[in-house]
Amino acid sequence: SQQGEEDPQALSIQEGENATMNCSYKTSINNLQWYRQNSGRGLVHLILIRSNEREKHSGRLRVTLDTSKKSSSLLITASRAADTASYFCATDRSSNTGKLIFGQGTTLQVKP
Amino acid sequence: ETGVTQTPRHLVMGMTNKKSLKCEQHLGHNAMYWYKQSAKKPLELMFVYSLEERVENNSVPSRFSPECPNSSHLFLHLHTLQPEDSALYLCASSQEMGQPQHFGDGTRLSIL
Repeated sequence: SQQGEEDPQALSIQEGENATMNCSYKTSINNLQWYRQNSGRGLVHLILIRSNEREKHSGRLRVTLDTSKKSSSLLITASRAADTASYFCATDRSSNTGKLIFGQGTTLQVKP
Repeated sequence: ETGVTQTPRHLVMGMTNKKSLKCEQHLGHNAMYWYKQSAKKPLELMFVYSLEERVENNSVPSRFSPECPNSSHLFLHLHTLQPEDSALYLCASSQEMGQPQHFGDGTRLSIL
């Protein structure tokens, strides 16, 4: 069964704007991870947030986690054309530790 | 950028052929993974190896056969594939299961 579901499926913004992507999941987790995938390339790990954390920052990235709502958000501030990619959330479930379940992803287009 | 190398990058084969995909990591990681990525579908975990032992076989058809001869190498042997097996096959590794994964750029497989 699908654990992570991203919303929206596609997002188009202008350079300099902020981009927000959401992820919902169904079962309790150890951690939630966000990945980026550029066209024709593998996934690149961006940030990991543990179940006992509520917010985490890395450069222009800000991730929040609400375990009561089983949801997470990824905010990219001051977006750049190079941020154009697909973004995936992945959950490490408490019941099946170590095997990440990925969502379908959000495709982000940043227009110069 | 990636410490995980996959070969070949592209592969076209007939349904009766036998081929192998190769994955190599020199990151000192203990866990390695095979994923299938199809259009419009979430990333599907196929196999997981931890310390060279297979710990997951996600109901993958027997026409896919993994092999992990040592902690740095992972193979996916292919035999009598079907057209629906056409996809991007991604290899990943992590220090331990559940930790951030490093992905290769994948093998784009087309079955004729």
